[in-house]
Amino acid sequence: GAGVSQSPSNKVTEKGKDVELRCDPISGHTALYWYRQSLGQGLEFLIYFQGNSAPDKSGLPSDRFSAERTGGSVSTLTIQRTQQEDSAVYLCASSFVMGPTEAFFGQGTRLTVV
Amino acid sequence: SQQGEEDPQALSIQEGENATMNCSYKTSINNLQWYRQNSGRGLVHLILIRSNEREKHSGRLRVTLDTSKKSSSLLITASRAADTASYFCATEPNTGNQFYFGTGTSLTVIP
Repeated sequence: GAGVSQSPSNKVTEKGKDVELRCDPISGHTALYWYRQSLGQGLEFLIYFQGNSAPDKSGLPSDRFSAERTGGSVSTLTIQRTQQEDSAVYLCASSFVMGPTEAFFGQGTRLTVV
Repeated sequence: SQQGEEDPQALSIQEGENATMNCSYKTSINNLQWYRQNSGRGLVHLILIRSNEREKHSGRLRVTLDTSKKSSSLLITASRAADTASYFCATEPNTGNQFYFGTGTSLTVIP
């Protein structure tokens, strides 16, 4: 596709369940970012992948959160044993890395933990 | 936190008026960008200003950058109802390629 694709667009899960959120970046973009946005809040950086380098995981809020990027393309954000405070919109973005560049965002996954 | 802050948090103006939003950040940067978000979903890039630039224009948008004060402003001239959205600044620190977003300004343009 032409843009960043995220799936599912909405996810309702029970507290304690694991969830997987998927991001398909724009083809050729070597950088991929995950952010979390709680209702009415700014974007909280979670994790950043760049090419084959070790990801920057400094924004992950707890060890229940993990992410991987397979083959330098698709990324999956996994949240284990979900809690109600995990409810938020999870946004993925991708970009080129060389030079000043804009990030292209997906439409996000709205996660609701009940 | 490397997150920036925008002010005001919310701004309501009449159509045709100008809207000014400010962003402050904490670290040295390579560039600063402004994004727009409608309905709490994906963000759309508006404009990028490099650290060695002081002002940039794009259509009705004017961005300034003062690296000595670690601040930027976004001016939207002749606002329209369709400009109603949340606006975020994002900084790329010179220590890496991540983007750190501010807290956002919610703009309402009243027809």
